[in-house]
Amino acid sequence: NAGVTQTPKFRVLKTGQSMTLLCAQDMNHEYMYWYRQDPGMGLRLIHYSVGEGTTAKGEVPDGYNVSRLKKQNFLLGLESAAPSQTSVYFCASSRGPGETQYFGPGTRLLVL
Amino acid sequence: KQEVTQIPAALSVPEGENLVLNCSFTDSAIYNLQWFRQDPGKGLTSLLLIQSSQREQTSGRLNASLDKSSGRSTLYIAASQPGDSATYLCAVRQWGMDSSYKLIFGSGTRLLVRP
Repeated sequence: NAGVTQTPKFRVLKTGQSMTLLCAQDMNHEYMYWYRQDPGMGLRLIHYSVGEGTTAKGEVPDGYNVSRLKKQNFLLGLESAAPSQTSVYFCASSRGPGETQYFGPGTRLLVL
Repeated sequence: KQEVTQIPAALSVPEGENLVLNCSFTDSAIYNLQWFRQDPGKGLTSLLLIQSSQREQTSGRLNASLDKSSGRSTLYIAASQPGDSATYLCAVRQWGMDSSYKLIFGSGTRLLVRP
């Protein structure tokens, strides 16, 4: 039982490049989330999903897109990376909306 | 707009000391509150979750309290150990269909327990 896994662990991009971050969970959770963590600002919600095939915007969705084609996977895409997207990205999942969220180890992204 | 504040930002204590971490929030209409631990370069681990109708939760040496009316929560760590060194984050889950899925995080308290 791996819980929540994220790939890659670390990535360097040039401005304007695109990439996809993958999150996978093996707990059969309905809800999945993408957060970014910046120094001194805590975690902020980018997008979330309440089930397979659904997505919704969080607090800071601009510049990101997501897809939930399979229940166990939640993908975060950056179409045209900007230096402001340099951050640590965390994926999380939960059984229900009010229940404990389980976090992945994070992806550190540097945009030059 | 909900704001979550954690003071102090950093704390250094000698081993064995009992300590309290503070969390305050501006909107008392919360569904629940959760305390997390984050080790350097790692993800978040849930420590305690307190429902809005509860006053406290305990797990081992940890005790979290919630006073919704005053917008405060505290995390009490008894007999601190060097292994407790980490960043502690509190997060409130906002009530309501539109925002019930959101966790609003504080910026954390970085704890160092000195041997």
